[in-house]
Amino acid sequence: EAQVTQNPRYLITVTGKKLTVTCSQNMNHEYMSWYRQDPGLGLRQIYYSMNVEVTDKGDVPEGYKVSRKEKRNFPLILESPSPNQTSLYFCASSSRQGRDEQYFGPGTRLTVT
Amino acid sequence: GQNIDQPTEMTATEGAIVQINCTYQTSGFNGLFWYQQHAGEAPTFLSYNVLDGLEEKGRFSSFLSRSKGYSYLLLKELQMKDSASYLCAVRPTISSGSARQLTFGSGTQLTVLP
Repeated sequence: EAQVTQNPRYLITVTGKKLTVTCSQNMNHEYMSWYRQDPGLGLRQIYYSMNVEVTDKGDVPEGYKVSRKEKRNFPLILESPSPNQTSLYFCASSSRQGRDEQYFGPGTRLTVT
Repeated sequence: GQNIDQPTEMTATEGAIVQINCTYQTSGFNGLFWYQQHAGEAPTFLSYNVLDGLEEKGRFSSFLSRSKGYSYLLLKELQMKDSASYLCAVRPTISSGSARQLTFGSGTQLTVLP
């Protein structure tokens, strides 16, 4: 089954404790992105990757890191989480062909206390 | 940059027709998407328009006017399960200085009443 998976689905952590949210897709997609979703603000792009070892900042990259060492994986790293990073996070992937709509993972609800 | 506007909330009755509008101002344009998102779930793709006109897919249709920076999503024969947030998203062209994929509006929360 074609899918994007994220782990963990739910995470409660404390300020300053480094964490990684994993994202993996099995569709051989070149593009991958991370978004955060907050009430009234919609989906905002954090980082994106056009292919292996190619990443770039989105609209709200501060406080986040990413890496793309393999085509299928695109982890999101919070080196020192803060309460303003409490949000719902989505990973997405798409191909470079045709309309290349984005396929979203199930989401990770992160709470930083 | 990109600016996308859509109504925050709409309410309609089961069996009715509803139109959700989206206006955008962009420095480049290479397509407009509509996504559906149920509460607590991931967005799922509904429609894509890159040329002017109407695209129909079952109960859902989407319209685009590039000259007006305007799109709408039309939902017919509304069902209770259509209660969700509907997200309008614009894809910029690479020539506009960004290869970023999509910029999303804040979404329209549709409530379908019995």
